[in-house]
Amino acid sequence: GIQVEQSPPDLILQEGANSTLRCNFSDSVNNLQWFHQNPWGQLINLFYIPSGTKQNGRLSATTVATERYSLLYISSSQTTDSGVYFCAVEDNAGNMLTFGGGTRLMVKP
Amino acid sequence: GAGVSQSPRYKVAKRGQDVALRCDPISGHVSLFWYQQALGQGPEFLTYFQNEAQLDKSGLPSDRFFAERPEGSVSTLKIQRTQQEDSAVYLCASSLYLTGGGYTFGSGTRLTVV
Repeated sequence: GIQVEQSPPDLILQEGANSTLRCNFSDSVNNLQWFHQNPWGQLINLFYIPSGTKQNGRLSATTVATERYSLLYISSSQTTDSGVYFCAVEDNAGNMLTFGGGTRLMVKP
Repeated sequence: GAGVSQSPRYKVAKRGQDVALRCDPISGHVSLFWYQQALGQGPEFLTYFQNEAQLDKSGLPSDRFFAERPEGSVSTLKIQRTQQEDSAVYLCASSLYLTGGGYTFGSGTRLTVV
C-alpha cells in the first residue's frame, strides 16, 4: 500500500515563530488532507488539498502532486497550535485514508 | 447531530472481556470508517461501510474484531476476548461522499486492557 512519511517527527517552537511541516507519499493520490489532533484527541480537518495551494488564516498548505509531497506552513505560531499534525492520503484504488506518523508540535510561550 | 459522536469516551476492560464501542455518524453521511490509533502513532484503517454494507474490512487485525452498521447509521465495533495489544484509541469518521474527502472524525474511545 501507499507509504506516507512526515517530517520532522517533533518540533518545538517559541511563540511567534514560523514553521514548515512536510509530508511525502509514495504513489499518486486521489485526496490529501492535513489534520490537527488536539491534546484531547480530536482530529480536526485543516485542509483538503490533493493539489495546489490553500490558505486559512495563519495556516497554508501546498501539495505538489507530481512530486508526491505536501507542505503545511504555520506562521506566527501560538500555544494553541500545539498538538500533533497528521497528513493523510487516499489512494486511487480505495476509500480509506492512510496516515503518516505525525509531527508533534509544542509551542512555548 | 452536529458531529460524530463516540461512546464510551473511555473504557477499561479486563483481559478476556468483550467490549462494544459505538459510533453515531453525522446524519445523512453515507460513508463510515473505523480507525485504530496506538499511542504515539498515526491512525490505522480498520474497516469501511457504505450505508449498511461493509465494503472493506481488510484492516481488522484479527477475527476477534467485528463491526456492524445494520441500518446504515449507527455503527458498533466489537472486540471479543480483549488482549493487552488491543489497547488504543478507536476513532470513527463519517463522510457525506463515497470518496474524495469530507471526513469528520469523532473524539474516539480510549480502550485500556488490563
